[in-house]
This record gives sequence, structure tokens and C-alpha cells, in this order.
Amino acid sequence: RKEVEQDPGPFNVPEGATVAFNCTYSNSASQSFFWYRQDCRKEPKLLMSVYSSGNEDGRFTAQLNRASQYISLLIRDSKLSDSATYLCVVKGDDKIIFGKGTRLHILP
Amino acid sequence: NAGVTQTPKFQVLKTGQSMTLQCAQDMNHEYMSWYRQDPGMGLRLIHYSVGAGITDQGEVPNGYNVSRSTTEDFPLRLLSAAPSQTSVYFCASSRTLQGPGTIYFGEGSWLTVV
Repeated sequence: RKEVEQDPGPFNVPEGATVAFNCTYSNSASQSFFWYRQDCRKEPKLLMSVYSSGNEDGRFTAQLNRASQYISLLIRDSKLSDSATYLCVVKGDDKIIFGKGTRLHILP
Repeated sequence: NAGVTQTPKFQVLKTGQSMTLQCAQDMNHEYMSWYRQDPGMGLRLIHYSVGAGITDQGEVPNGYNVSRSTTEDFPLRLLSAAPSQTSVYFCASSRTLQGPGTIYFGEGSWLTVV
């Protein structure tokens, strides 16, 4: 099993729709979790941290399920500007692991 | 508020040449790392450091050297450039390797080896 796995997509979603991504991780001792956004070959930028109780930032909601070892990202009322690659990031005991990303295309 | 600064932004090298990509952070972060990203691929870890004087290999270290003489700087050296090293390189830092600290990235260095 890969350390961090994401569906590569692409997800083609009409503007205004809701879209959800999942990310699974293999190390049960992982401590911190994040979602990053990367636009075409630019540097990844923090979208949001993921907390055990779940957290929301505007149209974005992140959830963590430690028992099943996955994190999720929900985007509501999607905008054209949400088109990007979304990277799942997991911090463990001795490393920071990036998922390969899920590509999202918002269609007008 | 500089954050993570990478130089140069663009570089063209001839096969066999050597060069150094510079990375500096002004946030007093312990953890620094170098990634490469090829077209359509995810980030691959080259080398990382958890503090001054400490470095370790990542997933794809061959052909690259690093050193960490200060907390602020983490240069990446290409010893003898090969076309397979054509890529975009990102430097990243975080307060610590563990714990909730955000990971910050430089803007990237685009390297072409001809």
C-alpha cells in the first residue's frame, strides 16, 4: 500500500456543483494532515489544515477519519477558479508525504 | 515577509555542468527539503534536513548533494547535470518535521539540461 494515495482524476465538474476528494494514508502514527492546492506547475499552497473534529473554511470542508485512515475535502458551490490539482499531505514520525494529487476541472 | 526564496528561477545547463540551486528561509524553520516535479507527476523528495548539520536522502537523491551549514540555507547541488534532471525544483520548509506546522514552498526553479 502506498503511503498516501489519491485518485488522480481528472474530476470534471460543472460550475456550482459539489465535489469531494478522498485521500488514504498507511501510517497510523501520522500526526498532521493538510490539503494543498497547486496550479499548473506553480508552487503548492496551503488550502487548509485538517483537524480531528473536522473543519470548514468558507466553501471548503475537511474531515479526518483516523480509524479508517483517510482524509477528505469537500468543495461546495464550485467556481471556475477552483480548477487546480489538490494535494493531500501527511506528516508522520519521520517524514512529510505528499500525495500525487487529484486534478479538478470546473466546467462553465 | 520573504518566506522561502529560491534562486535562480530559470536555468539552462549543458550536460555535465554542475550548478547549485539556492534556497533560503527566514522563518527559523528546522525542516527544509528539496522536491522535483516532472510534467504530469507528483512531487518527489530529493533530500531533506531536520536542522543545521543534519541531512538525509529522500526518494530520488542520486545526482544531487545538499548541505545545511545554517538554519536559513539549504542549497541543492547538481554534480554533473544530465537531461533526466530537467525538471522544476521546489524547496520547502516547515517549523518542524513533526507536528502541525504548515509547509511553505519557494516559487520553484525551472531547470533545463541540454
